[in-house]
Amino acid sequence: QVQLVQSGAEVKKPGASVKVSCGTSGYIFTIHSIHWVRQAPGQRLEWMGWISAGNGNTKYSQKFQGRVTFTRDKSASTAYMELSSLRSEDTAVYYCARAAGMVALDFWGQGTLVTVSS
Amino acid sequence: QSALTQPPSASGSPGQSVTISCTGTSSDVGGYNYVSWYQQHPGKAPKLMIYEVTERPSGVPDRFSGSKSGNTASLTVSGLQAEDEADYYCSSYAGSNIGDVFGTGTKVTVL
Repeated sequence: QVQLVQSGAEVKKPGASVKVSCGTSGYIFTIHSIHWVRQAPGQRLEWMGWISAGNGNTKYSQKFQGRVTFTRDKSASTAYMELSSLRSEDTAVYYCARAAGMVALDFWGQGTLVTVSS
Repeated sequence: QSALTQPPSASGSPGQSVTISCTGTSSDVGGYNYVSWYQQHPGKAPKLMIYEVTERPSGVPDRFSGSKSGNTASLTVSGLQAEDEADYYCSSYAGSNIGDVFGTGTKVTVL
């Protein structure tokens, strides 16, 4: 069965970077893109962008452009999201999700809580 | 890119129907047939309920249906059940420059 398993919770200081992993199984990794979505406490879902697991092409939300980097390791069927220059407003649960089609995120990771605090 | 606009809350009694709207612009909801709906229970990851405006993934009950008119998409939940109580988010493709955008979210309460 399709599974996306994310790395554990992180606590970071303002100005630091965080890298979240998203390990996948149960399907051919290179066929689907991986999207990243975050949700601040009590807030709405916020789309961050996607990476093509096949060719590594990326698309970043304008809000995060320049501060976020998506990568993937085909041999490990794993995608990564790195967010730099962290500030308190980046405290959120970060999700990875598999795209079945346009805007159709059919399988999600369990979420990774990133807390930014001095 | 602004979020798509949803009502903050909606409610209905068991067995009734509830409809949630998702209003965007001609650059997102109105411009593409790529609107999805997600259900999210507290502390859980979102679940895809509708994609491409009207399509249901396998395993999603046919009580859930989607539609679109102009710049507004809608999700209807018929025959409300207690387990339908959750937050619901719409999402739309907004073109190659913007990417995807989510709605503001609607909390559905089963009375």
